[in-house]
Amino acid sequence: ELKVEQNPLFLSMQEGKNYTIYCNYSTTSDRLYWYRQDPGKSLESLFVLLSNGAVKQEGRLMASLDTKARLSTLHITAAVHDLSATYFCAVEARMNYGGATNKLIFGTGTLLAVQP
Amino acid sequence: DTGVSQDPRHKITKRGQNVTFRCDPISEHNRLYWYRQTLGQGPEFLTYFQNEAQLEKSRLLSDRFSAERPKGSFSTLEIQRTEQGDSAMYLCASSLGWDTEQYFGPGTRLTVT
Repeated sequence: ELKVEQNPLFLSMQEGKNYTIYCNYSTTSDRLYWYRQDPGKSLESLFVLLSNGAVKQEGRLMASLDTKARLSTLHITAAVHDLSATYFCAVEARMNYGGATNKLIFGTGTLLAVQP
Repeated sequence: DTGVSQDPRHKITKRGQNVTFRCDPISEHNRLYWYRQTLGQGPEFLTYFQNEAQLEKSRLLSDRFSAERPKGSFSTLEIQRTEQGDSAMYLCASSLGWDTEQYFGPGTRLTVT
């Protein structure tokens, strides 16, 4: 059974600092996603990583994927308060019914609090 | 192009009552998914529809839960005899094909008192 682990679970950082969130998964998967979730809100898609070595950047966030190590990272550069949220990684897993459609397996999330 | 919509956005109910949620996927998306997210956790897969057929159900979906997608468009998720442990955010997602990204709705937050 595919398992997804994130660390840290909670990250308090000061504005202007850099930090990295890690996402490990237990078995091979075709695709990895990063989402942002604000309190009481739904999921906002940040990145979709499709292949080994994929790197995507948007503003102060950069995501990378190493399929051999089954590891993805979300790097935050020069954090600002607006980045405060919970960040989830999710990995696709085959469903049991035998078809090609995948379900998403989510990590437990990283609560990021950026202090001014 | 409107996104996935869910109704209601919030529901407060007393233990033992039945509740029903609705999800309208992005038009022409034939695949529809339900997930549940409890406080402090990541979403967990509940069930999957391809057109009107329910092809996959998680072990999390107890006998008190039933989901339908009668015409292959909107879907409903009903919980009978609600329990406090059912309190969660219920998220619906849709996708166009087997190899495409899932798009999430705003969720329905259920509180069972």
